[in-house]
Amino acid sequence: NAGVTQTPKFQVLKTGQSMTLQCAQDMNHEYMSWYRQDPGMGLRLIHYSVGAGITDQGEVPNGYNVSRSTTEDFPLRLLSAAPSQTSVYFCASTPLQGDGSYEQYFGPGTRLTVT
Amino acid sequence: DAKTTQPPSMDCAEGRAANLPCNHSTISGNEYVYWYRQIHSQGPQYIIHGLKNNETNEMASLIITEDRKSSTLILPHATLRDTAVYYCIVRPGANNLFFGTGTRLTVIP
Repeated sequence: NAGVTQTPKFQVLKTGQSMTLQCAQDMNHEYMSWYRQDPGMGLRLIHYSVGAGITDQGEVPNGYNVSRSTTEDFPLRLLSAAPSQTSVYFCASTPLQGDGSYEQYFGPGTRLTVT
Repeated sequence: DAKTTQPPSMDCAEGRAANLPCNHSTISGNEYVYWYRQIHSQGPQYIIHGLKNNETNEMASLIITEDRKSSTLILPHATLRDTAVYYCIVRPGANNLFFGTGTRLTVIP
Protein backbone atom coordinates (compact mmCIF):
# COMPACT_ATOMS: atom_id res chain seq x y z
CA ASN A 1 0.00 0.00 0.00
CA ALA A 2 1.14 3.54 -0.77
CA GLY A 3 -0.69 4.80 2.31
CA VAL A 4 -1.67 8.48 2.22
CA THR A 5 -0.24 10.46 -0.67
CA GLN A 6 -0.30 14.21 -1.18
CA THR A 7 0.50 16.35 -4.19
CA PRO A 8 2.17 18.69 -4.75
CA LYS A 9 4.97 18.64 -2.17
CA PHE A 10 5.64 22.35 -2.60
CA GLN A 11 3.58 25.18 -4.07
CA VAL A 12 3.94 28.94 -4.35
CA LEU A 13 0.85 31.00 -5.10
CA LYS A 14 0.16 34.66 -5.57
CA THR A 15 -2.52 36.31 -3.48
CA GLY A 16 -5.92 35.73 -5.01
CA GLN A 17 -5.02 32.60 -6.94
CA SER A 18 -6.91 29.37 -6.39
CA MET A 19 -5.61 25.83 -6.33
CA THR A 20 -6.40 22.31 -5.20
CA LEU A 21 -4.26 20.21 -2.90
CA GLN A 22 -4.67 16.55 -3.67
CA CYS A 23 -4.92 13.75 -1.13
CA ALA A 24 -5.45 10.06 -1.80
CA GLN A 25 -5.39 6.90 0.31
CA ASP A 26 -5.46 3.27 -0.75
CA MET A 27 -6.34 1.72 2.60
CA ASN A 28 -10.13 1.96 2.18
CA HIS A 29 -10.39 4.20 5.24
CA GLU A 30 -13.73 5.84 5.84
CA TYR A 31 -12.50 8.98 7.59
CA MET A 32 -10.24 11.58 6.03
CA SER A 33 -9.09 14.95 7.36
CA TRP A 34 -7.14 18.03 6.42
CA TYR A 35 -4.92 19.88 8.92
CA ARG A 36 -2.69 22.89 8.63
CA GLN A 37 0.44 23.50 10.67
CA ASP A 38 1.93 26.95 11.06
CA PRO A 39 5.56 27.36 12.18
CA GLY A 40 6.10 26.32 15.82
CA MET A 41 2.47 25.35 16.24
CA GLY A 42 0.49 22.17 16.51
CA LEU A 43 -1.87 20.95 13.80
CA ARG A 44 -5.29 22.54 13.36
CA LEU A 45 -8.19 20.77 11.72
CA ILE A 46 -9.60 22.41 8.58
CA HIS A 47 -12.22 19.97 7.24
CA TYR A 48 -12.99 16.32 7.60
CA SER A 49 -15.11 13.61 6.01
CA VAL A 50 -16.67 10.52 7.52
CA GLY A 51 -17.33 8.89 4.17
CA ALA A 52 -18.00 9.53 0.50
CA GLY A 53 -20.46 12.38 0.03
CA ILE A 54 -20.16 13.61 3.63
CA THR A 55 -17.96 16.48 4.77
CA ASP A 56 -17.89 18.82 7.75
CA GLN A 57 -15.98 21.80 9.04
CA GLY A 58 -13.16 21.66 11.53
CA GLU A 59 -11.54 24.37 13.63
CA VAL A 60 -10.31 26.65 10.81
CA PRO A 61 -12.46 26.10 7.69
CA ASN A 62 -12.65 29.65 6.30
CA GLY A 63 -11.11 30.03 2.86
CA TYR A 64 -11.14 26.30 2.11
CA ASN A 65 -13.55 23.90 0.41
CA VAL A 66 -13.54 20.13 0.30
CA SER A 67 -15.47 17.38 -1.42
CA ARG A 68 -15.48 13.59 -1.10
CA SER A 69 -16.78 11.94 -4.23
CA THR A 70 -14.88 8.69 -3.65
CA THR A 71 -13.53 6.85 -0.62
CA GLU A 72 -9.98 7.26 -1.90
CA ASP A 73 -9.76 10.99 -2.65
CA PHE A 74 -10.23 14.07 -0.50
CA PRO A 75 -9.06 17.25 -2.29
CA LEU A 76 -8.71 20.59 -0.50
CA ARG A 77 -9.48 23.72 -2.50
CA LEU A 78 -8.16 27.16 -1.71
CA LEU A 79 -10.68 29.57 -3.18
CA SER A 80 -8.64 32.80 -3.17
CA ALA A 81 -5.23 32.38 -1.60
CA ALA A 82 -4.11 34.79 1.11
CA PRO A 83 -0.70 35.16 2.80
CA SER A 84 -2.33 33.93 6.04
CA GLN A 85 -2.76 30.55 4.33
CA THR A 86 0.99 30.06 4.09
CA SER A 87 1.42 26.82 5.98
CA VAL A 88 2.15 23.12 5.76
CA TYR A 89 -0.94 21.09 4.96
CA PHE A 90 -1.36 17.51 6.09
CA CYS A 91 -3.98 15.04 4.98
CA ALA A 92 -4.85 12.08 7.19
CA SER A 93 -7.02 9.00 6.98
CA THR A 94 -8.46 6.86 9.72
CA PRO A 95 -9.71 3.31 9.89
CA LEU A 96 -12.61 2.43 12.11
CA GLN A 97 -11.40 0.01 14.76
CA GLY A 98 -13.72 -2.52 16.30
CA ASP A 99 -13.24 -1.15 19.82
CA GLY A 100 -14.15 2.39 18.75
CA SER A 101 -10.63 3.76 18.96
CA TYR A 102 -8.89 5.31 16.03
CA GLU A 103 -5.38 5.89 14.78
CA GLN A 104 -4.72 8.34 12.01
CA TYR A 105 -2.32 7.88 9.13
CA PHE A 106 -0.79 11.10 7.84
CA GLY A 107 0.55 12.05 4.45
CA PRO A 108 3.94 13.73 3.95
CA GLY A 109 2.47 17.22 3.70
CA THR A 110 2.29 20.05 1.17
CA ARG A 111 4.26 23.22 1.86
CA LEU A 112 2.31 26.19 0.57
CA THR A 113 3.63 29.72 0.33
CA VAL A 114 1.33 32.59 -0.63
CA THR A 115 3.05 35.81 -1.67
CA ASP B 1 -12.80 17.61 24.85
CA ALA B 2 -10.26 17.00 27.57
CA LYS B 3 -7.22 19.25 27.33
CA THR B 4 -3.72 17.99 27.90
CA THR B 5 -0.65 19.55 29.49
CA GLN B 6 2.86 18.52 28.46
CA PRO B 7 6.29 19.95 29.26
CA PRO B 8 7.56 21.96 26.30
CA SER B 9 10.90 20.17 26.06
CA MET B 10 12.92 17.29 27.46
CA ASP B 11 16.34 15.78 26.91
CA CYS B 12 17.26 12.13 27.12
CA ALA B 13 20.60 10.35 26.78
CA GLU B 14 20.88 7.90 23.93
CA GLY B 15 20.18 4.35 25.08
CA ARG B 16 18.30 5.44 28.17
CA ALA B 17 14.56 5.33 28.68
CA ALA B 18 12.64 8.46 27.76
CA ASN B 19 9.63 9.12 29.98
CA LEU B 20 7.27 11.73 28.61
CA PRO B 21 4.51 12.87 30.97
CA CYS B 22 1.05 14.14 30.09
CA ASN B 23 -1.60 15.58 32.36
CA HIS B 24 -5.25 15.19 31.35
CA SER B 25 -7.13 15.81 34.55
CA THR B 26 -10.47 16.52 32.82
CA ILE B 27 -10.56 13.29 30.82
CA SER B 28 -13.96 11.66 30.40
CA GLY B 29 -14.69 7.99 30.85
CA ASN B 30 -15.00 7.28 27.12
CA GLU B 31 -11.92 9.21 26.01
CA TYR B 32 -8.80 7.46 24.81
CA VAL B 33 -5.25 8.73 25.34
CA TYR B 34 -3.31 8.86 22.08
CA TRP B 35 0.34 9.58 21.47
CA TYR B 36 1.73 10.77 18.16
CA ARG B 37 5.11 12.12 17.23
CA GLN B 38 6.35 14.40 14.48
CA ILE B 39 9.91 14.09 13.29
CA HIS B 40 11.22 17.33 11.82
CA SER B 41 8.67 18.44 9.22
CA GLN B 42 7.19 15.05 8.41
CA GLY B 43 3.58 14.09 8.93
CA PRO B 44 2.69 12.98 12.47
CA GLN B 45 3.19 9.31 13.22
CA TYR B 46 0.91 7.28 15.44
CA ILE B 47 2.70 5.67 18.40
CA ILE B 48 0.21 4.12 20.80
CA HIS B 49 -3.15 4.62 22.47
CA GLY B 50 -4.99 3.36 25.54
CA LEU B 51 -8.19 3.70 27.50
CA LYS B 52 -7.62 2.37 31.01
CA ASN B 53 -4.98 -0.31 30.94
CA ASN B 54 -1.29 0.06 30.29
CA GLU B 55 -0.34 -0.70 26.73
CA THR B 56 2.84 -1.77 25.00
CA ASN B 57 3.79 -2.16 21.37
CA GLU B 58 6.98 -2.36 19.39
CA MET B 59 7.57 1.36 19.66
CA ALA B 60 6.66 2.31 23.21
CA SER B 61 4.75 1.70 26.42
CA LEU B 62 1.88 3.77 27.72
CA ILE B 63 1.27 3.95 31.45
CA ILE B 64 -2.07 5.44 32.51
CA THR B 65 -2.69 6.23 36.18
CA GLU B 66 -5.59 4.52 37.89
CA ASP B 67 -7.62 7.72 38.04
CA ARG B 68 -6.76 8.33 34.35
CA LYS B 69 -5.79 11.93 35.03
CA SER B 70 -2.27 11.51 33.73
CA SER B 71 -0.17 9.20 31.61
CA THR B 72 3.44 8.58 30.66
CA LEU B 73 4.83 7.50 27.33
CA ILE B 74 7.97 5.41 27.69
CA LEU B 75 10.50 4.90 24.92
CA PRO B 76 12.57 2.12 26.48
CA HIS B 77 15.87 2.71 24.69
CA ALA B 78 15.91 6.11 23.06
CA THR B 79 17.90 6.54 19.85
CA LEU B 80 18.85 9.68 17.96
CA ARG B 81 16.02 8.92 15.53
CA ASP B 82 13.53 9.38 18.38
CA THR B 83 14.27 13.11 18.47
CA ALA B 84 10.87 14.61 17.65
CA VAL B 85 7.88 16.50 18.99
CA TYR B 86 5.58 14.18 20.93
CA TYR B 87 1.88 14.94 21.18
CA CYS B 88 -0.46 13.59 23.85
CA ILE B 89 -4.08 13.76 22.71
CA VAL B 90 -7.27 12.81 24.48
CA ARG B 91 -10.29 12.01 22.35
CA PRO B 92 -13.42 9.86 22.54
CA GLY B 93 -12.38 8.03 19.40
CA ALA B 94 -13.68 10.39 16.76
CA ASN B 95 -11.75 11.65 13.80
CA ASN B 96 -10.84 15.13 14.93
CA LEU B 97 -7.64 15.17 16.92
CA PHE B 98 -6.55 18.29 18.75
CA PHE B 99 -2.79 18.71 18.52
CA GLY B 100 -1.34 21.11 21.06
CA THR B 101 2.31 22.14 21.00
CA GLY B 102 3.58 18.84 22.45
CA THR B 103 6.93 18.00 24.03
CA ARG B 104 10.09 18.45 22.02
CA LEU B 105 12.28 15.46 22.92
CA THR B 106 15.96 15.73 22.13
CA VAL B 107 18.01 12.55 22.37
CA ILE B 108 21.60 13.38 23.17
CA PRO B 109 24.49 11.17 21.99
